[in-house]
Amino acid sequence: NFMLTQPHSVSESPGKTVTISCTGSSGSIASNYVQWYQQRPGSAPTTVIYEDNQRPSGVPDRFSGSIDSSSNSASLTISGLKTEDEADYYCQSYDSSNRVFGGGTKLTVL
Amino acid sequence: QVQLQESGPGLVKPSQTLSLTCTVSGGSISSGGYYWSWIRQHPGKGLEWIGYIYYSGSTYYNPSLKSRVTISVDTSKNQFSLKLSSVTAADTAVYYCAREGITMIVNWGQGTLVTVSS
Repeated sequence: NFMLTQPHSVSESPGKTVTISCTGSSGSIASNYVQWYQQRPGSAPTTVIYEDNQRPSGVPDRFSGSIDSSSNSASLTISGLKTEDEADYYCQSYDSSNRVFGGGTKLTVL
Repeated sequence: QVQLQESGPGLVKPSQTLSLTCTVSGGSISSGGYYWSWIRQHPGKGLEWIGYIYYSGSTYYNPSLKSRVTISVDTSKNQFSLKLSSVTAADTAVYYCAREGITMIVNWGQGTLVTVSS
């Protein structure tokens, strides 16, 4: 079964840049689009990146996504960190028509 | 602005069937172009996609849950529903309904906690 692996947690200071990785277990991660979802405590997730590197309207350009085929990974980069960015982040892609989520990464902004 | 709202029992007994309904407002399920999905999140854990239905009634389920899941749609009520049979404590989770575009989840419901316990 296809799996996406994320680091359990990352932390960084306000104003800095952080990158969260999402590694595919098999095949080429570039073969299917990757999405990223932000989930603040007690709230439903929201989309911050879709189709690898596209931002929905309303998502600041501090959020960016990329694909690295050499490491079979997708990445979410957040620059100019704000305390409001503290949340859980999930990557998501596809295994045939099945949607597969990564295990999530807790971002602490301290 | 499309909004989704889950409803259903918050407590289900083991071996019974979990039933939830998602009511869609601000848009029509029948207009097409979107998948109507269920996703769950075990307490303190990550997200698990359950399956989707299209307005035409075509469905796709997560293979790991396929034998126990049924998703249906009632376009006259602008609702879609989830049934999960033979539940155990492992099915205790927050259940979200969602509207999926081609490549992203566009809207989420607020989620509803379902506890499986006798």
